Amino acid sequence: DVKVTQSSRYLVKRTGEKVFLECVQDMDHENMFWYRQDPGLGLRLIYFSYDVKMKEKGDIPEGYSVSREKKERFSLILESASTNQTSMYLCASSLGGKGEQYFGPGTRLTVT
Amino acid sequence: AQSVTQPDIHITVSEGASLELRCNYSYGATPYLFWYVQSPGQGLQLLLKYFSGDTLVQGIKGFEAEFKRSQSSFNLRKPSVHWSDAAEYFCAVWSGSSASKIIFGSGTRLSIRP
Repeated sequence: DVKVTQSSRYLVKRTGEKVFLECVQDMDHENMFWYRQDPGLGLRLIYFSYDVKMKEKGDIPEGYSVSREKKERFSLILESASTNQTSMYLCASSLGGKGEQYFGPGTRLTVT
Repeated sequence: AQSVTQPDIHITVSEGASLELRCNYSYGATPYLFWYVQSPGQGLQLLLKYFSGDTLVQGIKGFEAEFKRSQSSFNLRKPSVHWSDAAEYFCAVWSGSSASKIIFGSGTRLSIRP
């Protein structure tokens, strides 16, 4: 079974802090994704990566950056956390092409 | 551009009753379609997918979906729901990009009446 793990289930940070969310997949998938999920807005794509050191902006990249130094790991970085970044963050991976995505359990981030 | 519409934000059905969740998509060619389920506080789990072939697709947990090209629909069905089916359901379509970017609908929350 594909396993996607996220470093924290719950996280509380202060405004202005630098925040790192880590995601690891164990199936040698090429593609990895970061979404945020907010009530009434569904899933919105922040960034995705289709190879090591490669990244592309999604629909809402502002205020975020990403890093993919190894194939299995994809990090989401909030350079200076703000209260409007309080959300559920979901990581996913996929093998490639038109394949389905596999999701991690999510990290609920609260910025105070 | 590709898009997915789930017209029902919230549906309540009685336990044991049948279920149909609606999904309409917009896509230029033959779409690749997915249904995901998200239990409270969890990530998304793939229920089923349609890539080609038989338009009636069977998935996990007793769910099925039917692809209807003429109606641009991919509705999810279950003959008899269980209390454990209470969750949020997302329909999705492949975006057409090479990196398996998927476009998700806004979701339908399913509640089960005892």
